[in-house]
Amino acid sequence: SYELTQPLSMSVALGQTARLTCGGNNLGSKDVHWYQQKPGQAPVLVIYRDDKRPSGIPERFSASSWGYTATLTISGAQAGDEADYYCQVWDSSIAVFGGGTKLTVL
Amino acid sequence: QMQLVQSGAEVKKPGASVKVSCKASGYTFSSYDINWVRQATGQGLEWMGWMNPNSGNTGYAQKFQGRVTMTRNTSISTAYMELSSLRSEDTAVYFCARVEDGSGYPVDYWGQGTLVTVSS
Repeated sequence: SYELTQPLSMSVALGQTARLTCGGNNLGSKDVHWYQQKPGQAPVLVIYRDDKRPSGIPERFSASSWGYTATLTISGAQAGDEADYYCQVWDSSIAVFGGGTKLTVL
Repeated sequence: QMQLVQSGAEVKKPGASVKVSCKASGYTFSSYDINWVRQATGQGLEWMGWMNPNSGNTGYAQKFQGRVTMTRNTSISTAYMELSSLRSEDTAVYFCARVEDGSGYPVDYWGQGTLVTVSS
């Protein structure tokens, strides 16, 4: 079965840039979606189809995907960006989520 | 506005079944698939399956085959997820999630989640 690999955690200084990665076999051939989840809340879509931002999502969220890795970039990280981030793809009509990365803003 | 409102928390004994509902409003219910995703405390998101409200067609993760049933009542724009033969490992928050029918779409709206606790 298809798997997505994310680092368990990472930290970023306030105002700096965070780059969260998601790895998977031939990931560049799939549409990658990214979700932000804060404690006690449902996930929120922040990036869809590799690099598109839903309305209402700040421009500091961007993403790319190539080869075996997709990257979510948060530029000028704010305290409110502290959350868990999950990547997700579809593989033969099955949704696959990465294990999630806990982002800490210092 | 668009909403997915789920039923309340449940406490079940091992071996029992649970049925969680997800009422949609603010959009055409039959135009989007409903997926179910669960999350154990402190763990990641785990996809359970999808249902097309228009056709009733379903697709389940292999892990839940034979234990999960996803249905709908289009007259009240409500989707249901029933999980049987519950065990302690099924204790989790269960989310319904809307996905546009077709290939490769993201979850664009989530329900608020329903906590299911399995305990003797």
